[in-house]
Amino acid sequence: QQQVKQSPQSLIVQKGGISIINCAYENTAFDYFPWYQQFPGKGPALLIAIRPDVSEKKEGRFTISFNKSAKQFSLHIMDSQPGDSATYFCAGELETSGSRLTFGEGTQLTVNP
Amino acid sequence: GAVVSQHPSWVICKSGTSVKIECRSLDFQATTMFWYRQFPKQSLMLMATSNEGSKATYEQGVEKDKFLINHASLTLSTLTVTSAHPEDSSFYICSARDYSKNIQYFGAGTRLSVL
Repeated sequence: QQQVKQSPQSLIVQKGGISIINCAYENTAFDYFPWYQQFPGKGPALLIAIRPDVSEKKEGRFTISFNKSAKQFSLHIMDSQPGDSATYFCAGELETSGSRLTFGEGTQLTVNP
Repeated sequence: GAVVSQHPSWVICKSGTSVKIECRSLDFQATTMFWYRQFPKQSLMLMATSNEGSKATYEQGVEKDKFLINHASLTLSTLTVTSAHPEDSSFYICSARDYSKNIQYFGAGTRLSVL
């Protein structure tokens, strides 16, 4: 059963624009919500993460917005750059159960110059 | 530099042979590591949780006799694909959590091609 749903599947943004990726989760036991960036042929790398007791977290051009009541969270990439072109995965993590990650389906982001 | 090292990065083998993939945590001790499988343009699917000094915990539908996991030390976990077949061709990725930094690091992945 897919417990984290991610949209859109693909996204094309112009350089300097805002990229927005959304995720919805079902498992209310998740206690950590990371976002990963993956380039072709490489493993995922942690981009930014948030805990459910926080509604927003910003790190540089990347912001997570978290809505606990709606069980939704989103990643905003401000001033998107061609180097941001990658696949992005949201995830729910059960830290209290050995840190198992459940990934969303992924979003392929293309930032045109 | 990488804090989780995965080797090899690419392996081609004949059908029926076994392939071993290594995952090492370089800067920290990892009592728990994870193995994922990823098909092209798809998400990562957790295969198993590797526990140091004990048996791995496999996800539903993953054949434990086909995907052998050994976690003999605090810095090394291995995944052996036994009697590989073309349908086992995939991208295999390991991860380990550094609890001191609260970050889960991923290896660079191993692309397995079974002919």
